[in-house]
Amino acid sequence: AQSVSQHNHHVILSEAASLELGCNYSYGGTVNLFWYVQYPGQHLQLLLKYFSGDPLVKGIKGFEAEFIKSKFSFNLRKPSVQWSDTAEYFCAVNAGYNQGGKLIFGQGTELSVKP
Amino acid sequence: EAGVAQSPRYKIIEKRQSVAFWCNPISGHATLYWYQQILGQGPKLLIQFQNNGVVDDSQLPKDRFSAERLKGVDSTLKIQPAKLEDSAVYLCASSSVQNSPLHFGNGTRLTVT
Repeated sequence: AQSVSQHNHHVILSEAASLELGCNYSYGGTVNLFWYVQYPGQHLQLLLKYFSGDPLVKGIKGFEAEFIKSKFSFNLRKPSVQWSDTAEYFCAVNAGYNQGGKLIFGQGTELSVKP
Repeated sequence: EAGVAQSPRYKIIEKRQSVAFWCNPISGHATLYWYQQILGQGPKLLIQFQNNGVVDDSQLPKDRFSAERLKGVDSTLKIQPAKLEDSAVYLCASSSVQNSPLHFGNGTRLTVT
């Protein structure tokens, strides 16, 4: 069965520190990859997505992610975090067109940024 | 554009009672999803509709959960009877076409006591 694994449950950083959140998935075929963010009290929002092409994708608010097919990974990065980045981050995989848009989510990583 | 609307925001019920959640997707979005998010876990798909037809309900506990999307717009998710382990946030999401990014509502937080 397809699955998504996020390495860290809770990450605590100081402002201006660099961020990397790990995400690995298990599926051998074509995948679409997503990172969603949930700010406190708000709904899940799309941060960035990868469908095809350049494996380094840029999203909103300075976030980027790199798809490494050989490692089944889609790690999220940001060079310098801000207090406002405090949120929960979810990696998600849509395992190919014939899955009809069904997203499989990781368990989430809670990011706390200290001012 | 207006987002995905869900109601109620919060619901507290006793076990064995029934409960219903409502979702109004973004106008024109043909695909609608219900996800269950248990505390500390990522969202898990319960059911997916394409217009008013069910595409995937493989993870819906059909002995107690039911969902419908009459007329291919609004949707309701019902639990009858509720169990303690149904305590979770129920998220509705919609997308314009299959495989396009999902837009999520704020969710309904259900507490079963």
